[in-house]
Amino acid sequence: DTEVTQTPKHLVMGMTNKKSLKCEQHMGHRAMYWYKQKAKKPPELMFVYSYEKLSINESVPSRFSPECPNSSLLNLHLHALQPEDSALYLCASSHKGGTNEKLFFGSGTQLSVL
Amino acid sequence: SQQGEEDPQALSIQEGENATMNCSYKTSINNLQWYRQNSGRGLVHLILIRSNEREKHSGRLRVTLDTSKKSSSLLITASRAADTASYFCATVTSGSARQLTFGSGTQLTVLP
Repeated sequence: DTEVTQTPKHLVMGMTNKKSLKCEQHMGHRAMYWYKQKAKKPPELMFVYSYEKLSINESVPSRFSPECPNSSLLNLHLHALQPEDSALYLCASSHKGGTNEKLFFGSGTQLSVL
Repeated sequence: SQQGEEDPQALSIQEGENATMNCSYKTSINNLQWYRQNSGRGLVHLILIRSNEREKHSGRLRVTLDTSKKSSSLLITASRAADTASYFCATVTSGSARQLTFGSGTQLTVLP
């Protein structure tokens, strides 16, 4: 199984809502990532988890709260988002987070904030 | 800020032709990777070239790396309509771990 599964595929939420994005992989990877991608732009790194510990937070606003319950799961909790947070949110994983590893990406969650 | 800038931003070719995309970056790297993204989907890893390598092949893909010019190119030979996608270079800078930074991307359209 070389898949990274993200749910939901699409999400529409209001600015007062609380929602969560979920990501799952069963490749035994120990590094997991959240990227944000606006239309016609490259993905931008948000968070990196290594061995279930948050290792990188790219100065992301606190309305985005990541969680890694175990080595296979990664969540992104959303609260009080702004319309400009509308984007494609991509989860990825890699073997151990080493610098010469390729990333495996999920298909993403297309988020619209109204 | 983006580490890599890609050229051209958009490329349209006929099926069967070759497509060449270029990537320039700013700082020293450990490796350079190329990814493909179909519209609204996740990225798929294509190829990784290490900083001590100059050329690498994978099927119809050929990647070159010139560290003196801080540039890389991706050549897709005998293109197919299914190659229509966005192509991104991505670099891991020397001295930082686990931070893959993507270039601006090239939108390739292969016309049947």
